[in-house]
Amino acid sequence: NAGVMQNPRHLVRRRGQEARLRCSPMKGHSHVYWYRQLPEEGLKFMVYLQKENIIDESGMPKERFSAEFPKEGPSILRIQQVVRGDSAAYFCASSPSGSSYEQYFGPGTRLTVT
Amino acid sequence: DAKTTQPNSMESNEEEPVHLPCNHSTISGTDYIHWYRQLPSQGPEYVIHGLTSNVNNRMASLAIAEDRKSSTLILHRATLRDAAVYYCILRDVSVSGSNYKLTFGKGTLLTVNP
Repeated sequence: NAGVMQNPRHLVRRRGQEARLRCSPMKGHSHVYWYRQLPEEGLKFMVYLQKENIIDESGMPKERFSAEFPKEGPSILRIQQVVRGDSAAYFCASSPSGSSYEQYFGPGTRLTVT
Repeated sequence: DAKTTQPNSMESNEEEPVHLPCNHSTISGTDYIHWYRQLPSQGPEYVIHGLTSNVNNRMASLAIAEDRKSSTLILHRATLRDAAVYYCILRDVSVSGSNYKLTFGKGTLLTVNP
């Protein structure tokens, strides 16, 4: 049973470019969460999605960031016009339900903005 | 959100037991105590959770104080693979709580000496 998959594992973007991070949840999981880990900081919740719905995006920056989880395909975290401060590790997690005790995390995408 | 306090770092020797403490003096009656760990360059991994009673699983044991204001994660025989940052997290499972949201602090960096 494959775990949560994220790609790319490493992404380098110049300032002003767009970054697209992909997350495929575990088989049978329809709930996806995105977290961000800035250098030397703990993980921070960004957004919680179910298929075709954003449930809670309270942790997302108001501008340039968006997330989706379409009916078919992976969840996408999109960052437009990246800045150096967006450099971080972005982790995706999935669970079979929103009240599940356990969230299963992917290996993360390390975004570097030059 | 109720907060947790953990030591910044701890050290252990291989094959010896490790007791990782966590204080959560403002815990509410609907808060579950969760532990996750993050190995170097990987996503977090669920370890164990509990509410009031002590819990055991194949990875670890969780000892919860009678007043629930503190808990201890116990690794019975540390291995080099257990070297990681360990996070103690409270999750409110009340109907009105955002129980899907994991709030990570700085955690405890566990070093295991061969």
